[in-house]
Amino acid sequence: DQQVKQNSPSLSVQEGRISILNCDYTNSMFDYFLWYKKYPAEGPTFLISISSIKDKNEDGRFTVFLNKSAKHLSLHIVPSQPGDSAVYFCAARNQGGKLIFGQGTELSVKP
Amino acid sequence: DAGVIQSPRHEVTEMGQEVTLRCKPISGHNSLFWYRQTMMRGLELLIYFNNNVPIDDSGMPEDRFSAKMPNASFSTLKIQPSEPRDSAVYFCASSIGQYYGYTFGSGTRLTVV
Repeated sequence: DQQVKQNSPSLSVQEGRISILNCDYTNSMFDYFLWYKKYPAEGPTFLISISSIKDKNEDGRFTVFLNKSAKHLSLHIVPSQPGDSAVYFCAARNQGGKLIFGQGTELSVKP
Repeated sequence: DAGVIQSPRHEVTEMGQEVTLRCKPISGHNSLFWYRQTMMRGLELLIYFNNNVPIDDSGMPEDRFSAKMPNASFSTLKIQPSEPRDSAVYFCASSIGQYYGYTFGSGTRLTVV
């Protein structure tokens, strides 16, 4: 019963192009959504978040879009840089305040 | 601020042995979380504490897993007896309240052979 799903285990993008990472969820009561970035041998670090009452949040090269009717969110990185190569986790906060994470998508940005 | 500190970084043990993972949260953070990362399920929440009290342990896979938080600056996750399917990276995270500002440690990579 995976409540948060990232169906693409990996994504490869050319430097300078847009990276789009996708995430689907099942629980309509989630009130906050987040993206975490993880480098090898390190813990995940917070990247960007969005409240369920919004549909877009932008921070520099990173933009998160939320489509509540489709229970879908996405992270756009533009332009992509080689340093963006990492595993990206989507997470959603439930009513109890717990963060439920997806399986992760490994992004590779090639020079 | 040293961040969330986990030890050991790597642990290799034989099946049936007891394993103890340790975590020191960030000073002042009153919520602590234990997560397990696997390829199939990503980051799974095992248990979390608020003010040293276990709030939700529904993610603990079996009775072989136990966690304690004897004080605000220390927590342990114990597996006894360990099995090969327990092999994973275990993360500890802390936050102020149960909000999104989680800070993760670097993780413990556990290998049970």
